[in-house]
Amino acid sequence: EVNLVESGGGLVQPGGSLRLSCAASGFNFSIDTMYWVRQAPGKGLELVSGMTGDARSTFYANSVKGRFTISRDNSKNTLYLQMGSLRGEDMAVYYCARRPHGFDLWGQGTMVTVSS
Amino acid sequence: EIVLTQSPDTLSLSPGERATLPCWASQSVSSNYLAWYQQKPGQAPRLLIYGASSRATGIPDRFSGSGSGTDFTLTISRLEPEDFAVYFCQQYGSPPFAFGPGTKVDIK
Repeated sequence: EVNLVESGGGLVQPGGSLRLSCAASGFNFSIDTMYWVRQAPGKGLELVSGMTGDARSTFYANSVKGRFTISRDNSKNTLYLQMGSLRGEDMAVYYCARRPHGFDLWGQGTMVTVSS
Repeated sequence: EIVLTQSPDTLSLSPGERATLPCWASQSVSSNYLAWYQQKPGQAPRLLIYGASSRATGIPDRFSGSGSGTDFTLTISRLEPEDFAVYFCQQYGSPPFAFGPGTKVDIK
């Protein structure tokens, strides 16, 4: 079955760090560009970061540049998002998604709550 | 950076009616790389349309996409009860791949 499963979300204090994981299955993970997309409560979708299949090219939204780092381990079919210096405005559901044509496969999301 | 606009915020329609959802881009979308997504409460978005007019796998033919350049439209020919949801457009031709703010289709 083709699937993406996020994990690693939770409660973190402002200024803290968290690492999200996205486990892929059922497709050739190593050739697909993968993304992290977030959605704050009651808000729209924001593309946070992306990485090509060969990990040579990355993208970051201006809002997270310098604080978040995307990576992947193709041997483990897993995408990661290392988040640091977390702020209240980073609180959201974080989805991983695959792009060949549009974002055709999404995980169920993992919630990140930033609060003291 | 391309900005997408969707209007209205909410569209109130009855089951069986036709829904027409526009999406405007601030600049021409490269290669018509425009996608539409449906999102229901508590769920991840679901890809409906890519390349402006191609239906994704498993999407009913009552959903159709059209347009090019800066003006795009998602049409739902006859609304089914399960179609009441939020719809987002997204351009994925030029980074950053922005999403529109969404249009909620609710029951009149």
